[in-house]
Amino acid sequence: QSVLTQPPSVSAAPGQKVTISCSGSSSSIGNNYVSWYQQFPGTAPKLLIYENDKRPSGIPDRFSGSKSGTSATLGITGLQTGDEADYYCATWDRKVFGTGTKVSVL
Amino acid sequence: EVQLVESGGGLVQPGGSLRLSCAASGFTFGHYWMSWVRQAPGKGLEWVANISPDGNDKYYVDSVKGRLTISRDNAKNSLYLQMSSLRAEDTAVYYCAREVAWSFESWGQGTLVTVSS
Repeated sequence: QSVLTQPPSVSAAPGQKVTISCSGSSSSIGNNYVSWYQQFPGTAPKLLIYENDKRPSGIPDRFSGSKSGTSATLGITGLQTGDEADYYCATWDRKVFGTGTKVSVL
Repeated sequence: EVQLVESGGGLVQPGGSLRLSCAASGFTFGHYWMSWVRQAPGKGLEWVANISPDGNDKYYVDSVKGRLTISRDNAKNSLYLQMSSLRAEDTAVYYCAREVAWSFESWGQGTLVTVSS
């Protein structure tokens, strides 16, 4: 089963920007849409980004997604304490999730 | 408003069986692919299975093939996961999710399955 690799954790001060990478392969990210999910402890995941860079209704534009080659990136600008959560990427090929990244606000 | 409510989780012995349900409301259930996604304690997300709108097409992650069976009843707006020959590694919170635009667009609150003697 293919694996999407994310950094275990990223952190920044309030108001700053963080980026989370999601590294795959030509058969995973390279040929499929990427989506991103936010998960707070003890709660269900929530869709943040779909089709690489689209935001569902209600998701603030502080969250952005991009894809290039076999990697994808989630960006969070204007970091807030309420953004502290786990974030997962996923591709639609065999519906694989990334390893997850914990975002901390310093 | 889309609502997905899972039920049926609990403690089961290794080798045992369990049936999970997901009650859907707020949308035309029979128009959507649906998935089960699980999360072992302290671990990441793992897609388990999905099913087409008419129930004819079903797909599974390799680790559950032959043991877990996904099904749906569109008349009852319900999704199911029949689990048998359960193993300790099946212990997880199980979420049902609606698929939209190559993503898991809506999620239920999850139901915990614990496989232990």
